[in-house]
Amino acid sequence: GAGVSQSPRYKVAKRGQDVALRCDPISGHVSLFWYQQALGQGPEFLTYFQNEAQLDKSGLPSDRFFAERPEGSVSTLKIQRTQQEDSAVYLCASRPSGGMAHEQFFGPGTRLTVL
Amino acid sequence: QKEVEQDPGPLSVPEGAIVSLNCTYSNSAFQYFMWYRQYSRKGPELLMYTYSSGNKEDGRFTAQVDKSSKYISLFIRDSQPSDSATYLCAMSVKTSYDKVIFGPGTSLSVIP
Repeated sequence: GAGVSQSPRYKVAKRGQDVALRCDPISGHVSLFWYQQALGQGPEFLTYFQNEAQLDKSGLPSDRFFAERPEGSVSTLKIQRTQQEDSAVYLCASRPSGGMAHEQFFGPGTRLTVL
Repeated sequence: QKEVEQDPGPLSVPEGAIVSLNCTYSNSAFQYFMWYRQYSRKGPELLMYTYSSGNKEDGRFTAQVDKSSKYISLFIRDSQPSDSATYLCAMSVKTSYDKVIFGPGTSLSVIP
């Protein structure tokens, strides 16, 4: 596929469960971003990877959130002990090497609902 | 106060109308200014971007940046029902990886 893909598209979790959200960036894209988009809000930055290195995780809301990109391609965002306030759409975006701010491409998102 | 403010709407206009969408921001270091369109249950897609102040036109869309007022606008001419979506302004400071900050978005409906 040519675009960024995310799976699952929808996830329902009971409060306290752990979840893992996957992002497949565009092939060859060095930069990868995760965002959280609450209902009626814009995307909020969570974390940034350059290849396998996590260079900025300042947006992760708590230590229950963890992201990895071990081989510099696919990334996983993990949320432990989910809470109702974690309900949101989680967006992944990738950007090519040397790309500028506007050159990030978004996936369709994973809609997480915590009951 | 959030770094980027945007009227959430919803905004409803008749087909063919001119639409004006606006954002204000507080960080004078922002240099890149972008507008994204987001359809329901889809990821944001880039509409337009500008670097620093000025105007940029692309078809029915015009983006304006006024850095002195910390104010950016997107104008849509001859609006179409297919323009119905949420419009997100976004901006970034020039850094090693150009972290992007988004506004909350304005929901637009164009009525046939």
